[in-house]
Amino acid sequence: RKEVEQDPGPFNVPEGATVAFNCTYSNSASQSFFWYRQDCRKEPKLLMSVYSSGNEDGRFTAQLNRASQYISLLIRDSKLSDSATYLCVVNNDMRFGAGTRLTVKP
Amino acid sequence: DGGITQSPKYLFRKEGQNVTLSCEQNLNHDAMYWYRQDPGQGLRLIYYSQIVNDFQKGDIAEGYSVSREKKESFPLTVTSAQKNPTAFYLCATGRQGQGNSPLHFGNGTRLTVT
Repeated sequence: RKEVEQDPGPFNVPEGATVAFNCTYSNSASQSFFWYRQDCRKEPKLLMSVYSSGNEDGRFTAQLNRASQYISLLIRDSKLSDSATYLCVVNNDMRFGAGTRLTVKP
Repeated sequence: DGGITQSPKYLFRKEGQNVTLSCEQNLNHDAMYWYRQDPGQGLRLIYYSQIVNDFQKGDIAEGYSVSREKKESFPLTVTSAQKNPTAFYLCATGRQGQGNSPLHFGNGTRLTVT
């Protein structure tokens, strides 16, 4: 089993939709988790950290489920500009998931 | 990220030649990482260094070498032994031992070997 696994998608959603991605990890001792956004041919940029109690930043909500060893990212009211690849990373191992590609369509 | 400089942005080499990719940081981060990304794929860890004069292999270290003689610099050499060197190479840095610390990325170097 890979250390970090993501559904590669692609997810094609209409503007205004709510979409959620999951990311599973294998190391139960992992402590730090992050979501990154990567635009085509660019470097990944930090979207948000994932805290144990869950956290929200505008339209984005991140959650951690330690029992099932996964993190999730929820995007509400999708915008065209949300189209990108979303990567999760588990800090202890510095391993990234393969990324989930999101396309938001008009 | 203005604190991490990767150069050059595009690099072209002939097969059989070694090539060194530069990564310099002024963020005073202890840890530095090299990743490789192929089209449509995720990031794969090549090497990482948590402290000067020390580094560890990642998942795909074969055909690559690194050095960490200075805190600010972590150059990656792609050797002729690397069978498929054409890829997007990303350098990242991070703070060690400070809990919830994310990685910061350079702009990347696109290497094409023909």
